[in-house]
Amino acid sequence: GAGVSQSPSNKVTEKGKDVELRCDPISGHTALYWYRQSLGQGLEFLIYFQGNSAPDKSGLPSDRFSAERTGGSVSTLTIQRTQQEDSAVYLCASSFPGQGYGYTFGSGTRLTVV
Amino acid sequence: RKEVEQDPGPFNVPEGATVAFNCTYSNSASQSFFWYRQDCRKEPKLLMSVYSSGNEDGRFTAQLNRASQYISLLIRDSKLSDSATYLCVVMGNYGQNFVFGPGTRLSVLP
Repeated sequence: GAGVSQSPSNKVTEKGKDVELRCDPISGHTALYWYRQSLGQGLEFLIYFQGNSAPDKSGLPSDRFSAERTGGSVSTLTIQRTQQEDSAVYLCASSFPGQGYGYTFGSGTRLTVV
Repeated sequence: RKEVEQDPGPFNVPEGATVAFNCTYSNSASQSFFWYRQDCRKEPKLLMSVYSSGNEDGRFTAQLNRASQYISLLIRDSKLSDSATYLCVVMGNYGQNFVFGPGTRLSVLP
């Protein structure tokens, strides 16, 4: 597609439930990143994919968080047993490989855990 | 030391003013630098890359000082539409992902 597409745009879930967030990157972008941004805060790196592999999972805040990417394209971020502190905007970005390319972000998924 | 630090802000300036944002980073090996802008409740958008020799894009000028590990963004003739948070972005210490600074908020006032 023309841009990075994320779904859903908004998600309200009850504490303890699992959620799945989806990211569809720009066609041809092999690098894919997940960040999250809490209200009024900066961007927190979660995980990075190059193709289908995730060489850097260091940012995942706990083992309740996992992510996968299939076919070098769509990625899913899963949060199990959601907690209120998981409430944030989850942003996906994609880019061509290599350091010289900036990211293009999707419009994010606003997750609210009640 | 945090990987990327920025002026805390906020900056409130009148239309037409010149404003400068500063950013320092800890990864001396970083090769890539960017400025992003983020409007309220929107995703960050790439404003400009920062090149070693400095670069200009219209009213915006970016500078890089590798020795001091310092990046700057200068906005001339500020417009109301420049009001946003400006994020300094640097390749992270592990060379895999970009690290975003906390951002500096700019409000251009009529």
